Amino acid sequence: DQQVKQNSPSLSVQEGRISILNCDYTNSMFDYFLWYKKYPAEGPTFLISISSIKDKNEDGRFTVFLNKSAKHLSLHIVPSQPGDSAVYFCAASCAGHDMRFGAGTRLTVKP
Amino acid sequence: DTGVSQDPRHKITKRGQNVTFRCDPISEHNRLYWYRQTLGQGPEFLTYFQNEAQLEKSRLLSDRFSAERPKGSFSTLEIQRTEQGDSAMYLCASSSPPPGTGLHTDTQYFGPGTRLTVL
Repeated sequence: DQQVKQNSPSLSVQEGRISILNCDYTNSMFDYFLWYKKYPAEGPTFLISISSIKDKNEDGRFTVFLNKSAKHLSLHIVPSQPGDSAVYFCAASCAGHDMRFGAGTRLTVKP
Repeated sequence: DTGVSQDPRHKITKRGQNVTFRCDPISEHNRLYWYRQTLGQGPEFLTYFQNEAQLEKSRLLSDRFSAERPKGSFSTLEIQRTEQGDSAMYLCASSSPPPGTGLHTDTQYFGPGTRLTVL
């Protein structure tokens, strides 16, 4: 069951521009959301998270936005850098009982 | 290197054989998670340990899957009578959250994974 969906399998952005990665979820009980980044041959690396009581969390070049009414979250990377090229997974958890990941979006940042 | 390590990195086995994977978490991390990731999908949570106690195992895929963490340090994941559908990347993660931090709301540090191929 695809409770967390990343509908764009890939995204290509020019260096210095904004990257926007999107994620939709279906379970309204999800209360904590995370983004992970994954390079080839490595495990996922935690990037940023947000609780359902907030609608925005910012950490340097990375900002996560949460729209609970639309069951949608997005990750903004500004400015994008070639080193940001990776697969990005969004994940959602429900009162600490489970965590579901999306299928990932491959971001390519072109120099 | 003080990150999460997993061994082996690759395993090829024949259908019906048993396989065991090892995960060494970051030292003194008290939580340890196992995930499975199939091609084109995100990681899928399987089970987790708080120290040596396995507190959640309902997501293990079948009774052929079992995990242990006997001394609260390293962990093993065993798959008995492997099937071709078990072919996947098996990921381990560890964390050391502050007391009272809920499951899956902690910052998890992932290992590189063990890629299993069942022929």
